[in-house]
Amino acid sequence: DAGVIQSPRHEVTEMGQEVTLRCKPISGHDYLFWYRQTMMRGLELLIYFNNNVPIDDSGMPEDRFSAKMPNASFSTLKIQPSEPRDSAVYFCASSLSGVIQPQHFGDGTRLSIL
Amino acid sequence: GENVEQHPSTLSVQEGDSAVIKCTYSDSASNYFPWYKQELGKGPQLIIDIRSNVGEKKDQRIAVTLNKTAKHFSLHITETQPEDSAVYFCAANKLRRGNEKLTFGTGTRLTIIP
Repeated sequence: DAGVIQSPRHEVTEMGQEVTLRCKPISGHDYLFWYRQTMMRGLELLIYFNNNVPIDDSGMPEDRFSAKMPNASFSTLKIQPSEPRDSAVYFCASSLSGVIQPQHFGDGTRLSIL
Repeated sequence: GENVEQHPSTLSVQEGDSAVIKCTYSDSASNYFPWYKQELGKGPQLIIDIRSNVGEKKDQRIAVTLNKTAKHFSLHITETQPEDSAVYFCAANKLRRGNEKLTFGTGTRLTIIP
């Protein structure tokens, strides 16, 4: 089975530009999580969805960040306008519903804002 | 909310020796404690997890122990091999429907010396 698929793997852009990160969860998984990983702050949960509905977005740093899940097989994380401090690795993870189900991570998007 | 501390931040051991990584958590109601392994350029992958009603769990060369009274849990890797070199993350959560968030530790970079 294919795992969580993220694109692009690397993104380099200038500050002020719009950035869109994409994620395809594992088929049949109904939870989707977006994380950000930096050396300073470690692995932080930004937002998560259940059945395409955002459940908790308390980790979204600013209004410049937005996430959508238009259907069960696709989600986007958008940053507009981007800033150098947004540079990080962004991970998407998915899991099945149930009290204890492991989260399966994609290989991430390494984002560099110049 | 939950706070997870992880030690040490870096660990080097000789091949064949054992490695131990320790985590403490703050919320006594937390009941699920997974460990993830992250290799270079990859997303975190679940390697073992434990629930609060169990004190120890083993899977071949890896084991996790949980002390609920002291609110700490540890990862033990025996007979270490070069492929065990990676960054390891602990996490904790009070799992219940509507609260599927994991709080991660800051990670331990494990290096196995051949």
